[in-house]
Parts: sequence; C-alpha cells; structure tokens
Amino acid sequence: GALVYQYPRRTICKSGTSMRMECQAVGFQATSVAWYRQSPQKTFELIALSTVNSAIKYEQNFTQEKFPISHPNLSFSSMTVLNAYLEDRGLYLCGARAGGQNTLYFGAGTRLSVL
Amino acid sequence: GDSVTQTEGLVTLTEGLPVMLNCTYQTIYSNPFLFWYVQHLNESPRLLLKSFTDNKRTEHQGFHATLHKSSSSFHLQKSSAQLSDSALYYCALGSSGSWQLIFGSGTQLTVMP
Repeated sequence: GALVYQYPRRTICKSGTSMRMECQAVGFQATSVAWYRQSPQKTFELIALSTVNSAIKYEQNFTQEKFPISHPNLSFSSMTVLNAYLEDRGLYLCGARAGGQNTLYFGAGTRLSVL
Repeated sequence: GDSVTQTEGLVTLTEGLPVMLNCTYQTIYSNPFLFWYVQHLNESPRLLLKSFTDNKRTEHQGFHATLHKSSSSFHLQKSSAQLSDSALYYCALGSSGSWQLIFGSGTQLTVMP
C-alpha cells in the first residue's frame, strides 16, 4: 500500500534557527507533494505544492525564502523552516500523491516547537 | 474560490447513537472529489472515505457518505458511534482542475460511554 514517512516527528528549535523536515513515499511514486501546516487551533494551511520537474507553487503568506522545498525525485521531498519564530509553531504535514491519482497520503507530521 | 464548510466544530454524543457530521462545499469545478480524513489525538490525518461519483454511497470502517452534487454535500454518517470514533474529522475538497486539497475547519467528535 501507499505509505508516507515523515521525519522527524517532533523537533524543538531556538527562535531564529532553522529546521528541516523530510518526507519519503514508499510503495508509490510521489509525483506531487503538498506541504501543510496545522495550526494549534487545528486549521490547515497549505504552504506549497510541489510537482517533480515543475516549479514549486507557494500559497499566499508563504515564501520560498522562508520555507524552501526540495523535491528531487519521485520518492523524496524536504522542507526547511528558516529563522523559525513562535508563529511558525504547529504540525507540518506532507501529503503525497501519485500521478493521475487524486488522493493525498499524509506522513505522520513534524511537530515544531520554538523556544 | 473553492471552500469547504463544516458547521459543527464539536459534536458530543453517547456510545451507540448515530453519527452525522455535516460537510458542504463550493467549487467552480464540475467534477469535485470529496474526502473525509480522521485525525486521532497526536496522530496525522488518515484517509477515511473518498468519493468522486455523484449519488453513490461510499463506505469504510462502518462510516459512510454520499456525494450529492445537487446540494454540494458530503455528510459523514455512522449508524452506531463507538468510543474509538472520538477524533477530529476533516472534510476535504479536490478537483480534476486543481489537485490540491482544501480542508474544512474540522469537527471534533467525542463519544461518551
């Protein structure tokens, strides 16, 4: 079946530092990856959509300068949160889908705490 | 733009009673895809149900939902709630025109003994 591994599960960083999270698809080819942030209030914000061999599309309020994403192949994607501050706290989720499919499979999430 | 509305933020009911969580959507696309995701405490969202076909009931793990394009709805139902059903439930909208998922605000279901 389709599985998505995301790591680390939990991370704490000091204010102003950066952290990177990674997402690996197993059992299918992750043609597209969506990165979401779930706020402490449990709402979902789409950060960006990434498709292999295409430009990464960032949503309003999110930029490549702050959340650089790499999607080099059909099984791996990573996102970095640069200069993390309190407002960046939350659960970051990667959702991957295979080409031609419409279902997103989510990783376990990376919970970011900022001190 | 596209949107998903889940009117109940919190639903509390007694074990054994029926469950119905509302979901309505707005989209410019004629072929929407609707999903229900369930998120248990400290876990990530997991796909529960999906439907791409109008008026066709889809079922999984005792839950069912029917996409009704005429009313733009995809309500989640279960005949008898179990304690283990306590979780956050998200309705999500996708389409062939844009595969990104738009999530509703979520409904916290709490089942009491």
